[in-house]
Amino acid sequence: DQQVKQNSPSLSVQEGRISILNCDYTNSMFDYFLWYKKYPAEGPTFLISISSIKDKNEDGRFTVFLNKSAKHLSLHIVPSQPGDSAVYFCAAIGRGTSYGKLTFGQGTILTVHP
Amino acid sequence: DADVTQTPRNRITKTGKRIMLECSQTKGHDRMYWYRQDPGLGLRLIYYSFDVKDINKGEISDGYSVSRQAQAKFSLSLESAIPNQTALYFCATSDPGTGNTIYFGEGSWLTVV
Repeated sequence: DQQVKQNSPSLSVQEGRISILNCDYTNSMFDYFLWYKKYPAEGPTFLISISSIKDKNEDGRFTVFLNKSAKHLSLHIVPSQPGDSAVYFCAAIGRGTSYGKLTFGQGTILTVHP
Repeated sequence: DADVTQTPRNRITKTGKRIMLECSQTKGHDRMYWYRQDPGLGLRLIYYSFDVKDINKGEISDGYSVSRQAQAKFSLSLESAIPNQTALYFCATSDPGTGNTIYFGEGSWLTVV
């Protein structure tokens, strides 16, 4: 039972364009969401997060949008750069759950072409 | 040097053998975790520890055991490895005082043949 789903295994985007990575969740107890980025041969690194009390959080070229009613979040990267090519994981944590027990999605491989 | 160090980085072992993956961290965090990554499944939590005397099972603990030898060290053992334990394993740390994120090591590739 996949509580956090990233239904697109891969995404290909031209440099300078917008990349939109999507994530759906089923557990209404989730109240904090994170995006991690992973390069080959490296561990995932934290990218950006959002609390359920917000619907948007922005950090430079990265913006995360949360639609609680749809149980959907998305990561926008504008403009996309070749160095953004990596695997992106969506993760969630539930209300009252000890922090660190993240539930991850399957990941989306982003390729940004020069 | 990495803040979260895993050894070995790559290991091939035979079915039935005991294998230990070690993790050490220099971040001074109390909380440590072991995750495994499988294609199409993302990362799943195996075990976690909130301090030296605290060990908790995660989502997929069957077939694994852990030991928290010190605040900085958290090892994962496969007592009798089986092929479906072939995966990429990540150790991670966190500390509530440093914000809502966890920090991962570089990963250990384990292949069970």
